Amino acid sequence: SSELTQDPAVSVALGQTVRITCQGDSLRNYYASWYQQKPGQAPILVIYAKNNRPSGIPDRFSDSSSGNTASLTITGAQAEDEADYYCNSRDSSGNPVVFGGGTKLTVL
Amino acid sequence: QVQLQESGPGLVRPSETLSLTCAVSGGSISSFYWSWIRQPPGKGLDWIGYIYYTGSSNYNPSLKSRVTISLDTSKNQFSLKLSSVTAADTAVYYCARQNSGFDFDAFDIWGQGTMVTVSS
Repeated sequence: SSELTQDPAVSVALGQTVRITCQGDSLRNYYASWYQQKPGQAPILVIYAKNNRPSGIPDRFSDSSSGNTASLTITGAQAEDEADYYCNSRDSSGNPVVFGGGTKLTVL
Repeated sequence: QVQLQESGPGLVRPSETLSLTCAVSGGSISSFYWSWIRQPPGKGLDWIGYIYYTGSSNYNPSLKSRVTISLDTSKNQFSLKLSSVTAADTAVYYCARQNSGFDFDAFDIWGQGTMVTVSS
């Protein structure tokens, strides 16, 4: 089982704001990174190291963290944002990398 | 820009060894960490392990006894070997560049992935 917990599914109305969360004890000490994955495609990094966006990622994607929870916020969700979203970080017991179970985002 | 491309057999027999290679183009493998990640059909991402350009490696504890990741700097590629495979190892296997800092790890470049099925 993953040491990072994500809600399995979240939905948002077109143009509205949605928050996708990732919970785990290791997030008190390490930043989460976030990935978008569309069907049949490889994941794409959208946020890393406290709100850094790779080139080409729209600024509607942002990150916030508090305590043991990291949150990916999409402000003004678009139809093309419908995808699975995964977080990763280090874990609290020495495993260098752990992924959350993923959240399926539906844009209504 | 840096691109990654996985290659290897799409079908492996149970109890045999899965072998994949990731070719790195557009940049040198002699920096960064280089990882393998897999995704069983319909499931989430599972980190397998990484190798640093110096040759040091680290593996997922759940797979550690069966995994070897190696580096060939002369060919600018790295490889995965997973022994004693079962049907549970059926997955899309991705190679990825791992950008790591003091307090974060981010997989910033991914290969397209290759489907490996374990079946007799």
